[in-house]
Amino acid sequence: QVQLVESGGGVVQPGRSLRLSCAASGFSFSSYGIHWVRQAPGKGLEWVAIIWHDGRNKYYADSVKDRFTISRDNSKNEVYLQTNSLRAEDTALYYCARDKGQDAGMDVWGQGTTVIVSS
Amino acid sequence: QAILTQPSSLSVSPGASASLTCTLRSGLNVGSSYIYWYQKKPGSPPQYLLRYKSDSDKEQGSGVPSRFSGSKDASANAGILLISGLQSEDEADYYCVIWHSTAVVFGGGTKLTVL
Repeated sequence: QVQLVESGGGVVQPGRSLRLSCAASGFSFSSYGIHWVRQAPGKGLEWVAIIWHDGRNKYYADSVKDRFTISRDNSKNEVYLQTNSLRAEDTALYYCARDKGQDAGMDVWGQGTTVIVSS
Repeated sequence: QAILTQPSSLSVSPGASASLTCTLRSGLNVGSSYIYWYQKKPGSPPQYLLRYKSDSDKEQGSGVPSRFSGSKDASANAGILLISGLQSEDEADYYCVIWHSTAVVFGGGTKLTVL
């Protein structure tokens, strides 16, 4: 079935890095953009980044620009979020979601992976 | 001023209808915007409900009941999610979303209580 599975979360000290992964299955992965969206404890949803289906376009939220990098490997059906210089405020549940473009919505979401930034 | 403003909470009785608003910041035009709506329940990932631009340009999420529908109030520069025949399972947080330049923007969310 159509599925997205996030991994790579964990507990990390401020200033350190983590690489999150989003593995896709059950659909034509290379036809879809992939977003990362996060939710901090007790807070609302916050968009983080998007990479288009072919990887040529990538956009970021101001809050993570220059610290996070999104990438994909269409041969492996995976998207990655390299998170550097992590801060306490990056603590959140991180979701990936697919987007078929052409003004479509984020129609399939993973279960999320938790990132905790703490000393 | 936030790009998208949603009421923080709304309480509605079972069987009634709920109208959740999403007001765009001054300078943004709701008429030309796609408004996306998502439902978020604790312990579950967000679920895509629908996309609405106009009555002739809208999309319902897969498996989403027709009780959920979108509209706009141009005079208020707002998108609206209407949920009719409210059920206890509709109790959740609801988020509106737009694209703003090259970024996706989420509203702050409305906590809908069915009581």
